[in-house]
Amino acid sequence: NAGVTQTPKFQVLKTGQSMTLQCAQDMNHEYMSWYRQDPGMGLRLIHYSVGAGITDQGEVPNGYNVSRSTTEDFPLRLLSAAPSQTSVYFCASSELGRRTQYFGPGTRLTVL
Amino acid sequence: AQKITQTQPGMFVQEKEAVTLDCTYDTSDQSYGLFWYKQPSSGEMIFLIYQGSYDEQNATEGRYSLNFQKARKSANLVISASQLGDSAMYFCAMREILRTGNQFYFGTGTSLTVIP
Repeated sequence: NAGVTQTPKFQVLKTGQSMTLQCAQDMNHEYMSWYRQDPGMGLRLIHYSVGAGITDQGEVPNGYNVSRSTTEDFPLRLLSAAPSQTSVYFCASSELGRRTQYFGPGTRLTVL
Repeated sequence: AQKITQTQPGMFVQEKEAVTLDCTYDTSDQSYGLFWYKQPSSGEMIFLIYQGSYDEQNATEGRYSLNFQKARKSANLVISASQLGDSAMYFCAMREILRTGNQFYFGTGTSLTVIP
């Protein structure tokens, strides 16, 4: 099992550009989520999904879109990148219920 | 209101000593899970230990134990016999099952440094 994979590992964007961060898991987990991690702020939830076709907003959804067309994939789209979106992004997946999440390795994004 | 509060931004511990990292949580959900994760300087998030809201015994995983006090809404992590490799950021997290549909909440983390 590859677990949770994220691509790319690093990305530099210019303000206004768009891009998609990819996330995939091979554990057949229903729940998938995206977080951003900023210094001193811990992990903040951007969007999450409890199954294919179902997504919902987390704490900091503005400027990001998600879709979940398959159980395996949960891409995060930045519509028009801003310097405030410079962060480390983590994707995670888990079974539903009182179960831990498994994290991908993270994507370090810099917006100039 | 913060769902997860970690009041210790940084902690130091002597090698081989025990250390307690504090975590308090806020929920009205009856069914929830509490988690601790370790993030070393390499950046990956490593799951350490889990405590369910209905579990009466404190969880233990090797040198890690979770001191669960439900009435006080605290879920402190105890690391026994600290090792240099324990130096990392530690995050407490909670998952609400009923109220917010499995959503996770994270604290701001505690940076632990183990001194030789």
